Amino acid sequence: NAGVTQTPKFRVLKTGQSMTLLCAQDMNHEYMYWYRQDPGMGLRLIHYSVGEGTTAKGEVPDGYNVSRLKKQNFLLGLESAAPSQTSVYFCASTLAGFNNEQFFGPGTRLTVL
Amino acid sequence: GDSVTQMEGPVTLSEEAFLTINCTYTATGYPSLFWYVQYPGEGLQLLLKATKADDKGSNKGFEATYRKETTSFHLEKGSVQVSDSAVYFCALYSGGSNYKLTFGKGTLLTVNP
Repeated sequence: NAGVTQTPKFRVLKTGQSMTLLCAQDMNHEYMYWYRQDPGMGLRLIHYSVGEGTTAKGEVPDGYNVSRLKKQNFLLGLESAAPSQTSVYFCASTLAGFNNEQFFGPGTRLTVL
Repeated sequence: GDSVTQMEGPVTLSEEAFLTINCTYTATGYPSLFWYVQYPGEGLQLLLKATKADDKGSNKGFEATYRKETTSFHLEKGSVQVSDSAVYFCALYSGGSNYKLTFGKGTLLTVNP
C-alpha cells in the first residue's frame, strides 16, 4: 500500500496563476482533509470531505476549492494564487470520523511569487 | 472554542536525556487527545492517543497521560535517541459541532549524539 500520496512535491507559481494539487489514498478511507502548515501556526484545516461527492469548508477555506469525484482522490485548487498562499500543504485521510488516526501524505511545498 | 497550547521550542537534548513536552488544552466536554510526530521532510504520523481521563497512551517509549483535572497531556520519554529528532504536535478532538482536530503549534526537538 502506498498510503497517502501527493502530487506535486514542489511548485513555484506567479501571483494570479492557478494550479491543482492532487491527493490519492489507497486505504479505502471515507474522510479526507487538506491542511496548510505555516511556521509557528501548526496545521490549519482548509477543506475536508466525509465521503465521495461531498466537501465542506474548514477554518481557512478562502482562495481554495476542492473536489472529491472519486473516493480515493481529493483535489485542492487555487484559482488565482496569492503570496499569502505560500505554504506546505498536507493531505490526510481517516477510515471514518475525525476521532480516528489521520494518515498524512508527504506534503507539497508551494511558493507563490 | 477548542485550543491547544504547547511549550515553546526548540528543545535541544543530548542522547539518553529525559524528555518532557508540555501540552495543555481548552475544550468542551471530554475530548480525545493525540500526539503526532513529524520527521524531517515527512507528513505527520500518529504517535499516541488517549480518549478518556487517566488513560495513558504509549508508543515507541513515549508516554502521555490524560489529566482532566489539570487539562494536560504532557509527552514524556525516559531516554531520547538521535532518531527522535522531529517536530511534535499535540492535538485534540472534542466532537459535537467541532468537526476537526485542533493542533498545537508544534515543538521542535533536536537530539544530539
